[in-house]
Formats: sequence, structure tokens, C-alpha cells
Amino acid sequence: AQSVTQLDSQVPVFEEAPVELRCNYSSSVSVYLFWYVQYPNQGLQLLLKYLSGSTLVKGINGFEAEFNKSQTSFHLRKPSVHISDTAEYFCAVSDDGNDMRFGAGTRLTVKP
Amino acid sequence: GAGVSQSPSNKVTEKGKDVELRCDPISGHTALYWYRQSLGQGLEFLIYFQGNSAPDKSGLPSDRFSAERTGGSVSTLTIQRTQQEDSAVYLCAISDGGGFNSPLHFGNGTRLTVT
Repeated sequence: AQSVTQLDSQVPVFEEAPVELRCNYSSSVSVYLFWYVQYPNQGLQLLLKYLSGSTLVKGINGFEAEFNKSQTSFHLRKPSVHISDTAEYFCAVSDDGNDMRFGAGTRLTVKP
Repeated sequence: GAGVSQSPSNKVTEKGKDVELRCDPISGHTALYWYRQSLGQGLEFLIYFQGNSAPDKSGLPSDRFSAERTGGSVSTLTIQRTQQEDSAVYLCAISDGGGFNSPLHFGNGTRLTVT
């Protein structure tokens, strides 16, 4: 079965700094990869997804992620973060579309 | 979360009691999921309903857990004889057609505390 590892449980950064949230997955078949974001006191919402095609995918709020098959990674990046990006970020993988497995989450805290 | 209402938002119960958690999605969404989020853990898949098909119950952790979806809309997750390890946030999610092409829309969850 597929699984997801988010290497950092917490990432503190200063406003306007770049950030990378790491995600590695394991699966024996082709995968579909997702990043979800949970803002404080809100439900999870989709940030971006990779299904096929270009390995660089762009999502909402200036985030992007790159699928690297050889390294089984799907790291999330943003060149310049804002205070409003403070949230919990979840990486997820699915190999059949129905059973979506999530990582433990990375709490991004943006400081002024 | 937009399109999914979960109740109650918080539930405190004594060990051994039964609890029922409710998910009320906006109609028209054919796929409904339940996940559990424990402190420091990821989202654990519990069960998946897709239209009139038999639900995928492969994620339910024990036979104390059950779920149903009535009329293709409202879903209830029932935990019998609750244990302290059942304490978690239970999240309901829906999608338009099931499968990865449709993003999941999550509710705000029910925080269950078993004392």
C-alpha cells in the first residue's frame, strides 16, 4: 500500500523568505499526489495536485510542487511566504483514486 | 468547510459509551469519505461511500466502528464502547464524482475526547 512521509513536523520561517515543505512517498504503482492546506480553525482544502504530465504543478496562493519520480518526492515550495500562509500542510498520495493516504502534516509558521 | 457540515463540533464522552458523529453534505456529491486525525498523526482513512456501491470499509480500525449513509446524503459514523485511543478529530470529506480527479472538500471535523 502507498504511504507518505512528511519529513518536517514544524517549519518556522520569516515573512518573505522562501520555504520548502518536504514530502516523500512509497508506492508500487503509479501515483497521484496532492497537497492540502488547513488554515487555523478551518477545514482542509486542496492546494494542488499532480495526476500526469508536467512534473511542476502550480497551485493556489503562489505555491508549486515538483514531482520527482526517481527520488519519490513531491516537495512543496513558495518563493516568498506571507503571514497568511501560516497553516498545516498535508501531503497525500493515491494509487487508485479512492484510498487517499495522508502524511502527518507540516505546521508552517510565518513570523514577521 | 464549504459544502460539508459536521456535528457535533466537539464531543466529550466517557470510556465505554457509544457515540454517533454526523456528516451532512450539500446534495449532489456522490462520494463521501471519513478520516481520523490523531495528534501528531496524519489523516487515517476510515471508510468511503460511492453512490450505490458497497462502501469501502477497509480503513475501519475495529468492529466497534461502523458507518452508514442514508439516501446518498447524510452519513453517520458510530463508535461503540469508546476507548481512550479513539480520541481524535473525525473528518468527513466529499467529492463530486469520486476518485482522484475530483478534489476532496472537508468538513471542519468533530473533536472526540474519550475520558
